[in-house]
Amino acid sequence: SQQGEEDPQALSIQEGENATMNCSYKTSINNLQWYRQNSGRGLVHLILIRSNEREKHSGRLRVTLDTSKKSSSLLITASRAADTASYFCATDAGSNEKLTFGTGTRLTIIP
Amino acid sequence: NAGVTQTPKFQVLKTGQSMTLQCAQDMNHNSMYWYRQDPGMGLRLIYYSASEGTTDKGEVPNGYNVSRLNKREFSLRLESAAPSQTSVYFCASRGDRGRDQPQHFGDGTRLSIL
Repeated sequence: SQQGEEDPQALSIQEGENATMNCSYKTSINNLQWYRQNSGRGLVHLILIRSNEREKHSGRLRVTLDTSKKSSSLLITASRAADTASYFCATDAGSNEKLTFGTGTRLTIIP
Repeated sequence: NAGVTQTPKFQVLKTGQSMTLQCAQDMNHNSMYWYRQDPGMGLRLIYYSASEGTTDKGEVPNGYNVSRLNKREFSLRLESAAPSQTSVYFCASRGDRGRDQPQHFGDGTRLSIL
């Protein structure tokens, strides 16, 4: 079963706007990770946030984690056409370091 | 820097045929994974290997077998392909420098079963 559910399933915004996508999960986690997938390619790791962290930044990316609500959000600021991709959250919830992936958000940046 | 390499990139099989998907990583990682990706379902773990010589089932192992040939290579075998196994298959590896290491993915094998 999917641990993470992402919202929205699809998002289209104008270039330069900010994009926010959300991830909800079901069980306690060790960390939560966000990955990007360009069309026809594999997933690329973007950012990891540990269960004891509430916010993390990396360049134009900002991730928040609310363990009481079992949710996370990914904010991409000042979006670019190159940000067009699918974005997946993944949770590490066990002792064997397997990841469980959400269903993804498909982001389209309109030039 | 090749990272994770998967072969073939595309394959069409007939129902009942067998084939092996190959995966190799050059990052000296202990952990390797096989996923399948279907529309609207994200990635689901088929099998994983925490180290050379060990393999464990993931969420959807039925119809598949794996071999961890050595530290670099982790293959996925379909013994008797079924149309339900039409999917995109991804291999990934993970480093061992403590917890919180990301997974590194290949570009996938697109498999169609007729």
